[in-house]
Amino acid sequence: EAQVTQNPRYLITVTGKKLTVTCSQNMNHEYMSWYRQDPGLGLRQIYYSMNVEVTDKGDVPEGYKVSRKEKRNFPLILESPSPNQTSLYFCASSPGSKTQYFGPGTRLLVL
Amino acid sequence: SQQGEEDPQALSIQEGENATMNCSYKTSINNLQWYRQNSGRGLVHLILIRSNEREKHSGRLRVTLDTSKKSSSLLITASRAADTASYFCATAGAGSYQLTFGKGTKLSVIP
Repeated sequence: EAQVTQNPRYLITVTGKKLTVTCSQNMNHEYMSWYRQDPGLGLRQIYYSMNVEVTDKGDVPEGYKVSRKEKRNFPLILESPSPNQTSLYFCASSPGSKTQYFGPGTRLLVL
Repeated sequence: SQQGEEDPQALSIQEGENATMNCSYKTSINNLQWYRQNSGRGLVHLILIRSNEREKHSGRLRVTLDTSKKSSSLLITASRAADTASYFCATAGAGSYQLTFGKGTKLSVIP
């Protein structure tokens, strides 16, 4: 089944404890992206990647890192999480058509 | 940067009625897309309309695009309780895979 998977789906952590949210797609898409969704603010793009080893900042990159060592994987790294990074995170991938396929989301709570 | 703005923010209708949601944007676009999100879950692509198209249909969905007014509308005909969800418009600029999302319209269809 063609899909985007994210892990974990739910995470509670404490301020400053490094964490990684994984994202994987099995559709051979070149483009991948991370978004965060907050009430009243909609979806905002954190980082995106046009291809392997090519990443770029979105609208809200502060406090996040990404890497794209393989086409299928695009992990999101929070080196030192803070409470303002409590949010619902979505990974998405896209072929050339620009239609994006979203993962199920990761709900993060930073205490 | 947030470009699409949906209107209304929330809409409540009876099953069988039509639902219309509007989206306005600020800059020139290559295409405009509509996505649906069931509560807390990943977004699902509904329909894409290119900047040189004025109207597009998909099942019970009808999308219009007016580039002179920088606006789009999504019409869902003969709504069902299962259509209850949030609906987002997203715009893509020329030559860009990046999507900029609006804040969404929350649709409630009452059985």
